[in-house]
Amino acid sequence: GAVVSQHPSWVICKSGTSVKIECRSLDFQATTMFWYRQFPKQSLMLMATSNEGSKATYEQGVEKDKFLINHASLTLSTLTVTSAHPEDSSFYICSAPPSSDYNEQFFGPGTRLTVL
Amino acid sequence: GQNIDQPTEMTATEGAIVQINCTYQTSGFNGLFWYQQHAGEAPTFLSYNVLDGLEEKGRFSSFLSRSKGYSYLLLKELQMKDSASYLCAVSDSNYQLIWGAGTKLIIKP
Repeated sequence: GAVVSQHPSWVICKSGTSVKIECRSLDFQATTMFWYRQFPKQSLMLMATSNEGSKATYEQGVEKDKFLINHASLTLSTLTVTSAHPEDSSFYICSAPPSSDYNEQFFGPGTRLTVL
Repeated sequence: GQNIDQPTEMTATEGAIVQINCTYQTSGFNGLFWYQQHAGEAPTFLSYNVLDGLEEKGRFSSFLSRSKGYSYLLLKELQMKDSASYLCAVSDSNYQLIWGAGTKLIIKP
């Protein structure tokens, strides 16, 4: 089946620094990718929809200046957490539907961010 | 508003059968997904229903009734490795996934 990768799988950073998370579709093209955040014992919360070649669409309550999203190609989307704070510590997961079929979603393995 | 409801937690015995229910109210419907998520891992796809009826896939089956806004995931011959959270998600009119809070399934020997 289709594979989506994320890098890094985990990261620890100091408060105030920025962290970049990559999401790649390895064997299919994805014009759209979704970024989720999941806090412990909670369900996934959609943060934003990443659109190749255009600006991302952010969900209500998600700061677009803090969570920068760049969808530079049909196989790569990046999420940059700027000026990270301890409350940003979470599990970040991306997903991508193949461009040809929106009824499938393939998830990356997730990135665990810990901000000290 | 959009809403997905599923039980918070269920307990079952190894070898038994368990049914996890999901009810939904969404703006538009383009299918319902069930995902399994082990702690600390990303969700993995289990099933997709867009038409009414039962879809069987090995030990797992999923049922959908669009008129009732209802689905269930049926797990047979439960194994200890089935202990996980099971997430119900509906694809809305914009093909965005609306997620339930998940059902934590505990399997006891």
